[in-house]
Amino acid sequence: KQEVTQIPAALSVPEGENLVLNCSFTDSAIYNLQWFRQDPGKGLTSLLLIQSSQREQTSGRLNASLDKSSGRSTLYIAASQPGDSATYLCAAYGGSNYKLTFGKGTLLTVNP
Amino acid sequence: DAGVIQSPRHEVTEMGQEVTLRCKPISGHDYLFWYRQTMMRGLELLIYFNNNVPIDDSGMPEDRFSAKMPNASFSTLKIQPSEPRDSAVYFCASSLEGPYEQYFGPGTRLTVT
Repeated sequence: KQEVTQIPAALSVPEGENLVLNCSFTDSAIYNLQWFRQDPGKGLTSLLLIQSSQREQTSGRLNASLDKSSGRSTLYIAASQPGDSATYLCAAYGGSNYKLTFGKGTLLTVNP
Repeated sequence: DAGVIQSPRHEVTEMGQEVTLRCKPISGHDYLFWYRQTMMRGLELLIYFNNNVPIDDSGMPEDRFSAKMPNASFSTLKIQPSEPRDSAVYFCASSLEGPYEQYFGPGTRLTVT
């Protein structure tokens, strides 16, 4: 059974800092890995999707990497802004079924 | 496109009552997913459909939960009878293909007293 862990559970940084959020998964037989953002009381917004054959994906100030062999993914946020404050979730997509297994998320606070 | 639409956004009901949550997926998406989010357990997949057919309902917690998709543009998740431990946020999501990017609705916050 796939298990996804995110560390740290919460992170507080000053504005402008570069930061890394970590995600690990136990079953490397994934089809892809997605990073989502969730604002308080809102739904999930997809940020980046990395296919199992890819090593990384970039969108603006966000860069996500994937290392299947070690069961790890990282989300790098450059030059953080207060508007980046949210909970970030990673989710691994199983290869044999279409199930997304989510981590518990990292609550990010960017202080002005 | 308006995105995934869910209704109601908030639902407060008493224990023992029937609750029906509704979802309209993005037009053209063949897959629809129902999730539940709680502080203790995080986000969990309850059931998903492909072309209106339920494929995997192994995440449905009990027989009190049921889901239907009568057509490509509408799905319901029903809880009968509801219990306080069912209180959670229920999300619906859809995707073009199974492993493609999933798009989430705003969720329904259910409170059972």
